[in-house]
Amino acid sequence: DIQMTQSPSTLSASVGDRVTITCRARQSITNWLAWYQQKPGKAPKLLIYKASTLESGVPSRFSGSGSGTEFTLTISSLQPDDFATYYCHQYNSYSSSWTFGQGTKVEIK
Amino acid sequence: QVQLVESGGGVVQPGRSLRLSCAASGFSFSMYTLHWVRQAPGRGLEWVAFISYDATSRYYADSVKGRFTISRDNSKDTLFLEMNSLTLDDTAMYYCARRDGYNLNWGQGTLVSVSS
Repeated sequence: DIQMTQSPSTLSASVGDRVTITCRARQSITNWLAWYQQKPGKAPKLLIYKASTLESGVPSRFSGSGSGTEFTLTISSLQPDDFATYYCHQYNSYSSSWTFGQGTKVEIK
Repeated sequence: QVQLVESGGGVVQPGRSLRLSCAASGFSFSMYTLHWVRQAPGRGLEWVAFISYDATSRYYADSVKGRFTISRDNSKDTLFLEMNSLTLDDTAMYYCARRDGYNLNWGQGTLVSVSS
């Protein structure tokens, strides 16, 4: 299995802040990396796939970058609706199993 | 549009069995591999099982191997997860998901609660 390490586990920020979350893979996954936002009681919402492609309807303040083993999710200007938990997800086409980061909870500072 | 709708969740006693279903629409079901993913209350996402488009390949997380069986009925566009010998640790929301190239689709989940 390809282990994913996501950091930080918790992040305190204010509205308008630039926020960055990092995910590292134990081996190269090229660009088979997705990012999700999840709010309590809801299913994960896909934000980014193919490491940097914005899902349709997702605000442009969200962006993804990276390839190989290191990836980042950036929120350029945090909005009130963005306080949630974020997960990275490797879905390498050469691996039949998926793995997820441990999650990052973005809290109000 | 692509839709995945899970059902079959509920409250079950430890040691009992449950069968989850995932009804698919909006795409050619028989052409795609599918996965089950779960999330225990207050915890992160955990991959559970994979099935190839023709069901010839199936893989499981170590935590469910030997107890859970993933299957599909391509004539009915439906994915299944047969869960046996359930334990308290299997309490979770269960999601079915599809990879289409680089894109991903998820259902809204069905809740399984294992309780005595």
